Amino acid sequence: GAVVSQHPSRVICKSGTSVKIECRSLDFQATTMFWYRQFPKQSLMLMATSNEGSKATYEQGVEKDKFLINHASLTLSTLTVTSAHPEDSSFYICSASAGLAGHEQYFGPGTRLTVT
Amino acid sequence: RKEVEQDPGPFNVPEGATVAFNCTYSNSASQSFFWYRQDCRKEPKLLMSVYSSGNEDGRFTAQLNRASQYISLLIRDSKLSDSATYLCVVTPHGSSNTGKLIFGQGTTLQVKP
Repeated sequence: GAVVSQHPSRVICKSGTSVKIECRSLDFQATTMFWYRQFPKQSLMLMATSNEGSKATYEQGVEKDKFLINHASLTLSTLTVTSAHPEDSSFYICSASAGLAGHEQYFGPGTRLTVT
Repeated sequence: RKEVEQDPGPFNVPEGATVAFNCTYSNSASQSFFWYRQDCRKEPKLLMSVYSSGNEDGRFTAQLNRASQYISLLIRDSKLSDSATYLCVVTPHGSSNTGKLIFGQGTTLQVKP
């Protein structure tokens, strides 16, 4: 199946700093990428949908100025958590979709963010 | 009310047991339905799609009841390797071009020797 990578897999940062997470589709062109967040023992929550070359669409309650998403190419999307706080500590997972059948998503391995 | 609801479990079963998970969804116009599997600290992986006619993949059988807005997953002859969290996933109406997925909280299964 298609491969999606995320980097870093794990990051610890201090409160107030910014962290960038990369999501790459390795063997296909991803027209759409999705960013999810998962807190312990909770479901994955969609944060935003990004299409290559256009602004991301954020879900209700997700601050676009705090979670900056850039989808500059068909193989790379980045999520930057700005001015991170301990409550931003979570598992961030991206997924990528190549086809018109948008449900066919391939998930990255996730990034575990810990803000101290 | 959550859009997708699951009993979080955990379900603790012996090897070889048959176990069933249920899921309900609130939006009657939901379009597509899936079961995903998520291992601890890993990304979710698609287990199977769910169709109204019911579908089977080896030891796994999925059923959809649109009238009751209810989805089920049956696992027969449980293996130790089946231990994971099973996520019920729904796509909202009109999402065929957006790809939006709505995840349930997940049901944790622990298969013991």
